[in-house]
Amino acid sequence: AQSVTQLDSQVPVFEEAPVELRCNYSSSVSVYLFWYVQYPNQGLQLLLKYLSGSTLVKGINGFEAEFNKSQTSFHLRKPSVHISDTAEYFCAVRGFYNTDKLIFGTGTRLQVFP
Amino acid sequence: GAGVSQTPSNKVTEKGKYVELRCDPISGHTALYWYRQSLGQGPEFLIYFQGTGAADDSGLPNDRFFAVRPEGSVSTLKIQRTERGDSAVYLCASSSGGRGSTDTQYFGPGTRLTVL
Repeated sequence: AQSVTQLDSQVPVFEEAPVELRCNYSSSVSVYLFWYVQYPNQGLQLLLKYLSGSTLVKGINGFEAEFNKSQTSFHLRKPSVHISDTAEYFCAVRGFYNTDKLIFGTGTRLQVFP
Repeated sequence: GAGVSQTPSNKVTEKGKYVELRCDPISGHTALYWYRQSLGQGPEFLIYFQGTGAADDSGLPNDRFFAVRPEGSVSTLKIQRTERGDSAVYLCASSSGGRGSTDTQYFGPGTRLTVL
């Protein structure tokens, strides 16, 4: 079984500042990792995913994430945030074998202030 | 093209009533998923269809919940004898791959169910 921990329920940050949203996972098997974003009154949208290969993954809207197998982490980063990045961010994991379902964390609310 | 659509967007019902929630996946997507998102939580998996069959229903909380996808396209999530604890946003997602595929799951806007 897999689980995901997003320790920060809320992250306030000023516009143009860098941000890191933390995600740690637990799994007895190899995993695929995802970050989704949920803007107000909209559905979940995929930001990026790690399947294999390079541990640094670049996604949409200037976001990137780094897979660290030894620390079982997949933190999301952006060097300079915009007001429009204000949203809920969800980290998710999926096991390699015999499963197609995503296991989500509880989410991190990113609030960008002017 | 059109994304995943869900109807209704909002549903208010009384405890004990029966409800149906509909999901229209992206055209041609063979995989369809249902998730439930309670307030302050991340989405929680309910059931996964590959074509017409339920490939994984391990997330359905009890036998009051049932889902169908008779023609391999539209799916309906059915909840009998609703309880106040069923109040949540019900999300549908679809993807183009077969079992084990890493194709992206595309989510709909959800149906907000409120049980009074």
